[in-house]
Amino acid sequence: DAKTTQPPSMDCAEGRAANLPCNHSTISGNEYVYWYRQIHSQGPQYIIHGLKNNETNEMASLIITEDRKSSTLILPHATLRDTAVYYCIVRGYSSASKIIFGSGTRLSIRP
Amino acid sequence: NAGVTQTPKFQVLKTGQSMTLQCAQDMNHNSMYWYRQDPGMGLRLIYYSASEGTTDKGEVPNGYNVSRLNKREFSLRLESAAPSQTSVYFCASSEVDRGVAGYTFGSGTRLTVV
Repeated sequence: DAKTTQPPSMDCAEGRAANLPCNHSTISGNEYVYWYRQIHSQGPQYIIHGLKNNETNEMASLIITEDRKSSTLILPHATLRDTAVYYCIVRGYSSASKIIFGSGTRLSIRP
Repeated sequence: NAGVTQTPKFQVLKTGQSMTLQCAQDMNHNSMYWYRQDPGMGLRLIYYSASEGTTDKGEVPNGYNVSRLNKREFSLRLESAAPSQTSVYFCASSEVDRGVAGYTFGSGTRLTVV
C-alpha cells in the first residue's frame, strides 16, 4: 500500500471551507484514496473515497489531481464538531487489502 | 443497528496476566481487523482476517493472537500482558461486495497494563 504525507495540523474558521491536502506520489493504478476522521478518542469514521474522479457525499468532497499523486478533502462549511484528526489512506479495493494509518492532520475549527 | 461492538470498554491488567478482547459485527462483513492506538499516535494494524477461517499478521503482531470464531466474531488475545501493550484497541470490519469499501470501527477498548 502506498504511503501518504499530510500536514500535522491545520486550523479553519467556523463556517468556512476546510481544505485538507494529502500527497500520495507512489500510488498505483488500482489503489483508491480514502479519508477517515477520528473525533477525540472515538473509533475512526469513514468519510469518503475515490479512484480518479472527484467525489462528493453528504459529508465532504474529494478532489484528486489528474496524475493522482495528491488529493484534497473539502469540508464545505466547517463546524466545531468537525474538529478531529483526519487520515488520508491509499489502498486496493479488495476486502483483503488492509488499511495502514499514518499520523493524519489534526484539524482545529476556530469559533 | 449496532455495527461493531467491542467488549470490554475498559480493562486494567497486571503484568503477566492474560485476557481476550471481544469484537462482534452485525453487518455480515467478510473482513475484520484489530488496531492499537497509543497516545498521540495513529492506528497500527495488529492482525486482520480477510474472511472467515483466515487470519494474517499486520504491522505489530508480536505479543498477540487472534481467533476468527465465525463470520461475526474476531477476538484478540494477550497471553502475557506487558506495560508496552497499554493502548486503546479498535476492532473494525469491512465489506466490498456491496460497494461499501469503507471500514466501520468499534468504540474501542482502553487497556492499561500495570
